[in-house]
Amino acid sequence: GIQVEQSPPDLILQEGANSTLRCNFSDSVNNLQWFHQNPWGQLINLFYIPSGTKQNGRLSATTVATERYSLLYISSSQTTDSGVYFCAALTTSGTYKYIFGTGTRLKVLA
Amino acid sequence: DADVTQTPRNRITKTGKRIMLECSQTKGHDRMYWYRQDPGLGLRLIYYSFDVKDINKGEISDGYSVSRQAQAKFSLSLESAIPNQTALYFCATSKGPTGSNEKLFFGSGTQLSVL
Repeated sequence: GIQVEQSPPDLILQEGANSTLRCNFSDSVNNLQWFHQNPWGQLINLFYIPSGTKQNGRLSATTVATERYSLLYISSSQTTDSGVYFCAALTTSGTYKYIFGTGTRLKVLA
Repeated sequence: DADVTQTPRNRITKTGKRIMLECSQTKGHDRMYWYRQDPGLGLRLIYYSFDVKDINKGEISDGYSVSRQAQAKFSLSLESAIPNQTALYFCATSKGPTGSNEKLFFGSGTQLSVL
């Protein structure tokens, strides 16, 4: 089945720094989402991005479906950005399901 | 009020007990899902339902069962809980097929501990 890999697994930033999180997937996908899991465990939708680029404030995402990767950019990071970032790819080959990566754990220091 | 509500938020139970986790949604979505999250791992799909009469197994359905009582309600049962079912459980919804209708929306999670 499809594999979804995220890098780096852990990231520590000083407040104000920029970062890029990567999500690689091993097969064609129908769509891709990015989520932020905050320190209280809640999963928040960041982007639905099967292809192209989207921006939302300090965050932006790019998916290059033909090359099977997606990037999440965080600019001017804030302590509230801390948590775990997951990408999830939807596959319809075999069982219809989202496959989640194992996440990037981000800690932003004040 | 939250669009996707899970109850309880936390539960501690003993090995062998039957337990039910409940999920209700006010988003009007047809599709509902149960996921499990273990520390350091991503989310894994337990069961999903595309409408009231549709139930499908996910990748880790053994030891679990579900019931879709109505469009808005989807419950997960552990018939005989065991310690390795200790995890954070999430309910999610999506509107339907194609494009942005496939976006997932999650509840706040239920932390289950089986002693």
